[in-house]
Amino acid sequence: ETGVTQSPTHLIKTRGQQVTLRCSSQSGHNTVSWYQQALGQGPQFIFQYYREEENGRGNFPPRFSGLQFPNYSSELNVNALELDDSALYLCASSSGPGSYEQYFGPGTRLTVT
Amino acid sequence: GENVEQHPSTLSVQEGDSAVIKCTYSDSASNYFPWYKQELGKRPQLIIDIRSNVGEKKDQRIAVTLNKTAKHFSLHITETQPEDSAVYFCAALIGMGGGADGLTFGKGTHLIIQP
Repeated sequence: ETGVTQSPTHLIKTRGQQVTLRCSSQSGHNTVSWYQQALGQGPQFIFQYYREEENGRGNFPPRFSGLQFPNYSSELNVNALELDDSALYLCASSSGPGSYEQYFGPGTRLTVT
Repeated sequence: GENVEQHPSTLSVQEGDSAVIKCTYSDSASNYFPWYKQELGKRPQLIIDIRSNVGEKKDQRIAVTLNKTAKHFSLHITETQPEDSAVYFCAALIGMGGGADGLTFGKGTHLIIQP
């Protein structure tokens, strides 16, 4: 198992609400990427944080936003939740420039009703 | 952006036989190709990866081959065992010196090992 942790494990929200998901990176890793995995699909890249700044973004709207803290942990915030946001949200940590290996956390299962 | 195609979507093999999963990618700038194994309800687990300056890499029963000209790469599992049953994802990444972009994943292959 990797040292990447995520909280909470499961979450149920209502359409229109806002949610915050949390990720702690593996020791020594300073880069965190977030992915959305819909049922039966591969993970889709949302964005990446490096040195507390967004370092790349996939095809997701601005209501998906994030933060990275000085200890390299990270948050994913989703505003105005839609039913299609129901998915497994995974974070992955890596050790930064020149090291491409990404190690995933266990994920947060978000259900929007 | 990058696009990764993965085949087959389901693969059933007899225990002890070999399994091969194939992926193609669209962006010739991609230079890193990992494979992940995901068991039901668990996180994707990195099992092997290859960089574009290498044509083949092996780790015990698992090997990955890369053909940069044709833009395809494959996962080979020999002497399959029941615990190899899972969904396997290939991915591609355009790695840059100042940081890396996100991984682009294929849709996954459900590997079933028949006893």
